[in-house]
Amino acid sequence: EVHLVDSGGGLVQPGGSLRLSCAASGFTFSNYAMGWVRQAPGKGLEWVSGINGGGGSTFSANSVKGRFTIFRDNSKNTLSLQMNSLRAEDAAIYYCAKYSNSDYYTYFDYWGQGTLVTVSS
Amino acid sequence: EIVLTQSPGTLSLSPGEGATLSCRASQSVSSSYLGWYRLKPGQAPRLLIYGASSRATGIPDRFSGSGSGTDFTLTISRLEPEDFAVYYCQHYGSSPFTFGGGTKVEIK
Repeated sequence: EVHLVDSGGGLVQPGGSLRLSCAASGFTFSNYAMGWVRQAPGKGLEWVSGINGGGGSTFSANSVKGRFTIFRDNSKNTLSLQMNSLRAEDAAIYYCAKYSNSDYYTYFDYWGQGTLVTVSS
Repeated sequence: EIVLTQSPGTLSLSPGEGATLSCRASQSVSSSYLGWYRLKPGQAPRLLIYGASSRATGIPDRFSGSGSGTDFTLTISRLEPEDFAVYYCQHYGSSPFTFGGGTKVEIK
């Protein structure tokens, strides 16, 4: 059974940094692309970033490009999102999600429960 | 960027009734690259439909997806208590992989 456990959220000041993690189990992690999706308070879902199965190719939304970095450790079945220069508008629940194959031009078939990021002074 | 517009914003229905949710794209989307998800507070989002009309694993047949080009529909034939939630469409054929604004299905 696929399990994705998000962690690392918390309160951070504007301009600060935070690293989110996602522990994956129940599937061959390196065979699948992974991604992050967020939901700001009272808003809809927003795709944030994706990484292919091997980790050599990444893609990010313009809203986070240059500030957020997605990476993975296939030896530890872990996905991470390094978030720098955080802004108030980055406050959201961040969901880790598994793509249905090794590339990110596909749908998310499993999601984590989410981790809350609050950006405030 | 492809913009997905979902309507209505809110549907007020009773258990057992049917629901029809719309997702309209600002430009043509290949049917292979349109999905639907359900989001309930405090829970992980769940994939319902991919490729516009294929049900995901474990999704009951009261859920069906249809459409092509710029107009797509999610139909729930008989609402169960767990179906009262927010539903999102998403295209994934090109970046950015945008979601629609969501349709909330609430108990009347």
